[in-house]
Amino acid sequence: SQKIEQNSEALNIQEGKTATLTCNYTNYSPAYLQWYRQDPGRGPVFLLLIRENEKEKRKERLKVTFDTTLKQSLFHITASQPADSATYLCALDVWNRDDKIIFGKGTRLHILP
Amino acid sequence: GAGVSQSPRYKVAKRGQDVALRCDPISGHVSLFWYQQALGQGPEFLTYFQNEAQLDKSGLPSDRFFAERPEGSVSTLKIQRTQQEDSAVYLCASSPMAPSTDTQYFGPGTRLTVL
Repeated sequence: SQKIEQNSEALNIQEGKTATLTCNYTNYSPAYLQWYRQDPGRGPVFLLLIRENEKEKRKERLKVTFDTTLKQSLFHITASQPADSATYLCALDVWNRDDKIIFGKGTRLHILP
Repeated sequence: GAGVSQSPRYKVAKRGQDVALRCDPISGHVSLFWYQQALGQGPEFLTYFQNEAQLDKSGLPSDRFFAERPEGSVSTLKIQRTQQEDSAVYLCASSPMAPSTDTQYFGPGTRLTVL
């Protein structure tokens, strides 16, 4: 079955620097991959979706890449701010299903002032 | 506008008790999902509704778990004879289209603690 690995449990980045989070999957290549943000005590909030035929997607200070050869997605936050501190979850669709996604464990990002 | 709401936000149950968790999705959203999130883990799929039809319940851990959405809007997740391993945050999400997982809008979750 598909496994999702997010690079580390926690990541500390200095304010103003670029934070890069990694999501690797092990089996089939998904049709799309999503990134969510989750704050303590709250549900995940959708950030970006990238499809298998897209290499890169941007939204304000966020950038996502998708490399189906490496089976990897990178999530970048440029000019990071303390308010970006949260857990970031990677999610991808289940093969041959368009109504179900599976999530990684998430990476806790701390932006240090 | 109103987002997805869940109630109660916190629930403490004694082992063996039955609990019912409610989800109010965004009005007009066709798809509704339930997830279970253990501490330090990502959400795990439990079940999926398209309107009132439960199209997938493959993630429900046991037959003690039951979900319904009788009128295609509000949904209830019921857990019978709760066990300690049921302690988790239960998240509900809705999506405007079906079938679609393009964007799921999550509620705040219900934190269930079974003593």
